[in-house]
Amino acid sequence: AIQLTQSPSSLSASVGDRVTITCRASQDISRALAWIQQKPGKSPKLLVHDASSLQSGVPSRFSGSGSGTDFSLTISSLQPEDFATYFCQQFNTYPITFGQGTRLEIK
Amino acid sequence: EVNLLESGGDLVQPGGSLRLSCAASGFPFNTFAMNWVRQAPGKGLEWVALMSGGGGTTFYADSVRGRFTISRDNSKNTLYLQMKSLRVEDTAIYYCARVGLGFLLNWFDSWGQGTLVTVSS
Repeated sequence: AIQLTQSPSSLSASVGDRVTITCRASQDISRALAWIQQKPGKSPKLLVHDASSLQSGVPSRFSGSGSGTDFSLTISSLQPEDFATYFCQQFNTYPITFGQGTRLEIK
Repeated sequence: EVNLLESGGDLVQPGGSLRLSCAASGFPFNTFAMNWVRQAPGKGLEWVALMSGGGGTTFYADSVRGRFTISRDNSKNTLYLQMKSLRVEDTAIYYCARVGLGFLLNWFDSWGQGTLVTVSS
């Protein structure tokens, strides 16, 4: 199975900060990567697919980049509602796998 | 609007069985592959199983193969997960999730609210 390693595992930041989360795949997955947001007690929500395509309705402060094995999710200016846990997901091959998550906390 | 509503979660003893359901609405259910994904308390996401829109193709995670069975009734717009020989480590919130664009392998564009399965004596 393809392993996804996210860094950092947790991150403290302030409203207005620019933050970047990275995801590294154990083998080439082309651009078959999604970013998912999960708030406490809520179900996951798709933010980005195909590495850099913003899902409909997602604010433009979110952006994704990368291909092959190295990917990143950037939030250009953190808003209070962005404090959550973020997961990357690969859909290049089954089994589908997820990164371990990055918890974004308020500083 | 896409809506996925899971049900059937419960407290069950190790070795027991349980069937989860996911009622879908707001889209042509029989044209979309569907998945089950689980999340143990305080942990990350783990993909469990997939079934194609027509039901002819299934994939399972190694951790559940032979114990869990995914199925669907397209006449009822409902996805199921039959779970047998349950283990303590199967304790989790179970989400159903739709595969985007009707492909067999793609991102998950809609998720349900989840149903909690607790395996404990």
